[in-house]
Amino acid sequence: QSVLTQPPSVSGAPGQRVTISCTGSSSNIGAGYDVHWYKQVPGTAPKLLIRDNNNRPSGVPDRFSVSKSGTSASLAITGLQAEDEADYYCQSYDSSLSGFYVFGTGTKVTVL
Amino acid sequence: QLQLRESGPRLVKPSETLSLSCSVSGVSINSPNYYWGWFRQPPGKGLEWIGTIYFSGSTNYNPSLQSRVTISVDTSKDQFSLNLNSLTAADTAVYYCAAWKWCMVYVCYFDYWGQGTLVAVSS
Repeated sequence: QSVLTQPPSVSGAPGQRVTISCTGSSSNIGAGYDVHWYKQVPGTAPKLLIRDNNNRPSGVPDRFSVSKSGTSASLAITGLQAEDEADYYCQSYDSSLSGFYVFGTGTKVTVL
Repeated sequence: QLQLRESGPRLVKPSETLSLSCSVSGVSINSPNYYWGWFRQPPGKGLEWIGTIYFSGSTNYNPSLQSRVTISVDTSKDQFSLNLNSLTAADTAVYYCAAWKWCMVYVCYFDYWGQGTLVAVSS
């Protein structure tokens, strides 16, 4: 069902930088629609992490940043910390019959 | 502070209808400033948008579920509800209600979530 593709997992040592890609198509990211990112600790609800324009909700550190190009978007985490270990999902709008709001397949971030 | 809480059965039989409610506090469900919606997440899998309702009662549904879904608002109780019929095992998931500030659909993001409720479809 997921319209946006993410790598299943990424890992890094504390302090390192990791990036998570989110690949879509011409009916979502490629159409220029906003891409937002969520963090989900297993067993809890998703939490908005960062919005398309690099706007972060209160409390989210500036170690998290986003970028977008063509039909893909990326989330970068710099200075990786133990508390960053979680699942991360991208989300956008899709103008095709797939539905209005679409999510990525999800990426598990592991801090080594 | 806007808060949401889901309620409903934890176990439903195949072919039956799932009915879940979401209680809203901190904001009136009659507010024109918010959208209200339902999402789900099968065990070990990703998130799926089910549908959205506005205070006026207008709705939008995921095309893959549209034939089986109804979302409604009960303004007297500050609640909104999800009905999903003709259930199969594939509908087993954690169901979340959520709210987000009014936005043009192509820029919306979801910043208020309920805790989620796991619903199993099994005989």
